Amino acid sequence: EVQLQQSGPELQRPGASVKLSCKASGYTFTEYYMYWVKQRPKQGLELIGRIDPEDCSTDYVEKFKNKATLTADTSSNTAYMQLSSLTSEDTATYFCARGPYEQLYMDAWGQGASVTVSS
Amino acid sequence: DIQMTQSPASLSASLGETVTIECRASEDIYNGLAWYQQKPGKSPQLLIYNANSLHTGVPSRFSGSGSGTQYSLKINSLQSEDVASYFCQQYYDYPYTFGAGTKLELK
Repeated sequence: EVQLQQSGPELQRPGASVKLSCKASGYTFTEYYMYWVKQRPKQGLELIGRIDPEDCSTDYVEKFKNKATLTADTSSNTAYMQLSSLTSEDTATYFCARGPYEQLYMDAWGQGASVTVSS
Repeated sequence: DIQMTQSPASLSASLGETVTIECRASEDIYNGLAWYQQKPGKSPQLLIYNANSLHTGVPSRFSGSGSGTQYSLKINSLQSEDVASYFCQQYYDYPYTFGAGTKLELK
């Protein structure tokens, strides 16, 4: 069974950084993209970027290029996203999601990780 | 970036009814479209990909159709477990973009 297990909720101060994790199991980690998606409270979904764990190449959506850093550790089948210089605009739930190389949809999702930025 | 306009924003329907949700792309996306279902407090789940292909394990009462810039998701014989928000997503061109969502409630 494919599973993406995300790290727990975070409460951070403005200006801080946070690193979220997404541990994959039930499939070959290096054979699928890993996407990261943002969802603000009661809002829609917004793609942040993706990483190819095979070679750690990344594609970021322009507005997140100075906000998010995506990495992957093939020894632990874990993808990471670091968010820097946090503001209230970063308060959201962040999902990791797997996507096949050949078909660019997202066919399995993590449970989401809540990040709250507050002083 | 390709803009995805989804309608309606909310929808109220009765059990057993058929509902349709629409998604319009700002340019031709050549069937590079997925539909996701998100139940309250849960993560999105893939329903449909390539505009009309049913993902594994998804009930056959869900179907997708469309081409070019116009796409739709149809739910036949609405069940109580279908209460959720539904999102379309284009993956024809990066960055992949989502519709704003449709919240489906029971009447």
